Amino acid sequence: DQQVKQNSPSLSVQEGRISILNCDYTNSMFDYFLWYKKYPAEGPTFLISISSIKDKNEDGRFTVFLNKSAKHLSLHIVPSQPGDSAVYFCAVRYNFNKFYFGSGTKLNVKP
Amino acid sequence: DAMVIQNPRYQVTQFGKPVTLSCSQTLNHNVMYWYQQKSSQAPKLLFHYYDKDFNNEADTPDNFQSRRPNTSFCFLDIRSPGLGDAAMYLCATSIGGNEQFFGPGTRLTVL
Repeated sequence: DQQVKQNSPSLSVQEGRISILNCDYTNSMFDYFLWYKKYPAEGPTFLISISSIKDKNEDGRFTVFLNKSAKHLSLHIVPSQPGDSAVYFCAVRYNFNKFYFGSGTKLNVKP
Repeated sequence: DAMVIQNPRYQVTQFGKPVTLSCSQTLNHNVMYWYQQKSSQAPKLLFHYYDKDFNNEADTPDNFQSRRPNTSFCFLDIRSPGLGDAAMYLCATSIGGNEQFFGPGTRLTVL
């Protein structure tokens, strides 16, 4: 059973507009939530995270929102740039140092 | 630059022939992970080492073993690869249960 779901396999956005990537999870005991970005032929790279005690974390153009009641996590990228085109994975932490990942959303930012 | 290195990047083996994938890190992180990722699916945690302590996931097949001879190196041994074991294998490191640093992965082909 999937503990983390990214229901949109792909997303296409115009440069300069907002990209919103979504992630749903099943277990309210997850305590730490992360987003990773992956370019072809490279491993995932950490982007931004949020603790379960917060509902928002911002880092430059990237903001992560956590809605615990809905068990929903989202990543906002504003403004989107062509270099943001990549696969984005959400991940959740359980048992202190284990992680479940989503299947990824491929973002294409069009110039 | 501090990094996570995986060798080889591409590995071809025959059905049933043991194979070893290697991972090394210069980050001096205490936790090392192995993930299996099949096409368009989420990376799946196989096991991890917290320092010298080995932690196996309940659904990781017995066919998969791991060794961590020192802080810097971690190996994934597949004793009798089947066609279903063809995948990308990702190694990652972290400090405790914080964000992970990934290697570029080893793509395993089983003939």
